Amino acid sequence: SQTIHQWPATLVQPVGSPLSLECTVEGTSNPNLYWYRQAAGRGLQLLFYSVGIGQISSEVPQNLSASRPQDRQFILSSKKLLLSDSGFYLCAWSIEGYGYTFGSGTRLTVV
Amino acid sequence: GDSVTQMEGPVTLSEEAFLTINCTYTATGYPSLFWYVQYPGEGLQLLLKATKADDKGSNKGFEATYRKETTSFHLEKGSVQVSDSAVYFCGRNAGNMLTFGGGTRLMVKP
Repeated sequence: SQTIHQWPATLVQPVGSPLSLECTVEGTSNPNLYWYRQAAGRGLQLLFYSVGIGQISSEVPQNLSASRPQDRQFILSSKKLLLSDSGFYLCAWSIEGYGYTFGSGTRLTVV
Repeated sequence: GDSVTQMEGPVTLSEEAFLTINCTYTATGYPSLFWYVQYPGEGLQLLLKATKADDKGSNKGFEATYRKETTSFHLEKGSVQVSDSAVYFCGRNAGNMLTFGGGTRLMVKP
């Protein structure tokens, strides 16, 4: 069966520090991968999606970047965090856009 | 562009009340439609989906019908429980993109 792992579950980082959130998928090949952010009291915003290794599409220009070094690995990064980067980050995968499975999320607090 | 609009919350109901959460979508292409639920402190779980016009998705007593004529996918439940308290997200998928509405917080009081 397919599973998705996302870590860490919670993270507190100072302003200006770097960020690396990792997401891995098991049990499937060549999935579409996604990073979403949910800011406090707000809806879900699509940040990045990837249809293959090294292929990244950015939906919202901002302080974050994404990479896909392996087929089932999707990484969200920042060189210098801002206070406004605080939020709940969700990774998701899908096959042919039919169904989406989400990870358990990472709650990031920038202080 | 593609978008989803859902009613703003919070929606506060008493246990056993009838629930409707409205959702409308832009009609570009032939999207699949979804409802996801987010329980406190957790990620998103798929609640139900519909892939074509007139399809009805259902799960755990929740239902939603894909209405092409009104571009809507309203979520309904006949009798809510306290355990249904969560944030509900309506989503549309076209191609590789899943776009969500802003979410609706439901609070059910005993």
